[in-house]
Amino acid sequence: GAGVSQSPRYKVAKRGQDVALRCDPISGHVSLFWYQQALGQGPEFLTYFQNEAQLDKSGLPSDRFFAERPEGSVSTLKIQRTQQEDSAVYLCASSPSLTPRAGYTFGSGTRLTVV
Amino acid sequence: GIQVEQSPPDLILQEGANSTLRCNFSDSVNNLQWFHQNPWGQLINLFYIPSGTKQNGRLSATTVATERYSLLYISSSQTTDSGVYFCAVDSGGSYIPTFGRGTSLIVHP
Repeated sequence: GAGVSQSPRYKVAKRGQDVALRCDPISGHVSLFWYQQALGQGPEFLTYFQNEAQLDKSGLPSDRFFAERPEGSVSTLKIQRTQQEDSAVYLCASSPSLTPRAGYTFGSGTRLTVV
Repeated sequence: GIQVEQSPPDLILQEGANSTLRCNFSDSVNNLQWFHQNPWGQLINLFYIPSGTKQNGRLSATTVATERYSLLYISSSQTTDSGVYFCAVDSGGSYIPTFGRGTSLIVHP
């Protein structure tokens, strides 16, 4: 597609519920990043994929967070047993290659609210 | 990890005014990018600028890597410039950007 598409745009979850957030990167982009952005803060790195390989997951805040990209295109970020502190905007970005010189394209994000 | 500090945290301008946003970083960097996040949350890449000076219309940026800072200049600001401006850097063996906390800009008509 023309850009990075994320769905849903908004998600309200009850505390304890599992959620799945989807990212459709630009076709052919090998690098895919997930970021978490709390209100009033800058995006914080969660995890990085190169094709289907998850090369860095050091930013995932707990073992309740899990990400996958099984075929090297669409990625899903799953949060189990959501808690209020998980409320944030989750951003996905893709790039044709690893280095930013090729340019990162961000999606519009999924705003997750845990009540 | 590398620390990224942006200033000022908030900025309010009248349309037509000029402004300078600053990004300081704690270590030598491989790459540095400036982003604009519009009021709808979309992050747009403005500049890839690990060193030197670049200009794009009313925006320009300068990075002095040896002194560990970068500046973003906005001239003749417009209401559409409103939003949050982020600096993102990566260093060492990592090409994963670390973002600052941003500068929130409001431009009044």
